[in-house]
Amino acid sequence: KQEVTQIPAALSVPEGENLVLNCSFTDSAIYNLQWFRQDPGKGLTSLLLIQSSQREQTSGRLNASLDKSSGRSTLYIAASQPGDSATYLCAVIEYGNKLVFGAGTILRVKS
Amino acid sequence: NAGVTQTPKFQVLKTGQSMTLQCAQDMNHEYMSWYRQDPGMGLRLIHYSVGAGITDQGEVPNGYNVSRSTTEDFPLRLLSAAPSQTSVYFCASSYTDRRGYTFGSGTRLTVV
Repeated sequence: KQEVTQIPAALSVPEGENLVLNCSFTDSAIYNLQWFRQDPGKGLTSLLLIQSSQREQTSGRLNASLDKSSGRSTLYIAASQPGDSATYLCAVIEYGNKLVFGAGTILRVKS
Repeated sequence: NAGVTQTPKFQVLKTGQSMTLQCAQDMNHEYMSWYRQDPGMGLRLIHYSVGAGITDQGEVPNGYNVSRSTTEDFPLRLLSAAPSQTSVYFCASSYTDRRGYTFGSGTRLTVV
């Protein structure tokens, strides 16, 4: 059974710092990996989708990498801002197009 | 383009009552699914559908029914609500070629 782990569980940083969120998965037979953001009491917003044939994707200040062989993905956030404060969820897309989620990293960026 | 629309946003039920959570998407996605999100448990798959007329169970299907009569709609029915079904429910959709998912804004359900 696929298991997805996100480290750290929570992170508090001062504004302007660059930071890295980690995601690991136990079964490398995945198709794609998707990073989401969730604000308190809200739904999930897709940030980046990395296809299995890709090694990274970039959108603005966000960069996500994928290493299928080692079962790892990282989400890099450059020059963090208070508006980046949210829960970040990593999900692998496996056989049957099913999503398996990690528990998330709660990020707080202090001004 | 509305994306994935869920109704209602909030609901309080008494134990034993039944209800239907609605989900609709206007992106012509073949794949639709329901998740529940609980503190400490993350998001877990309840039921999913790969197209009209085709549904299957996910990780936590007990106490829930689904049907898919059209591509656009995928309602989730609670047959006899229990306090253990208190949760936030999310509907999601995608193309079957694994291009990534779009989520609705969620339904917060409380069963008393």
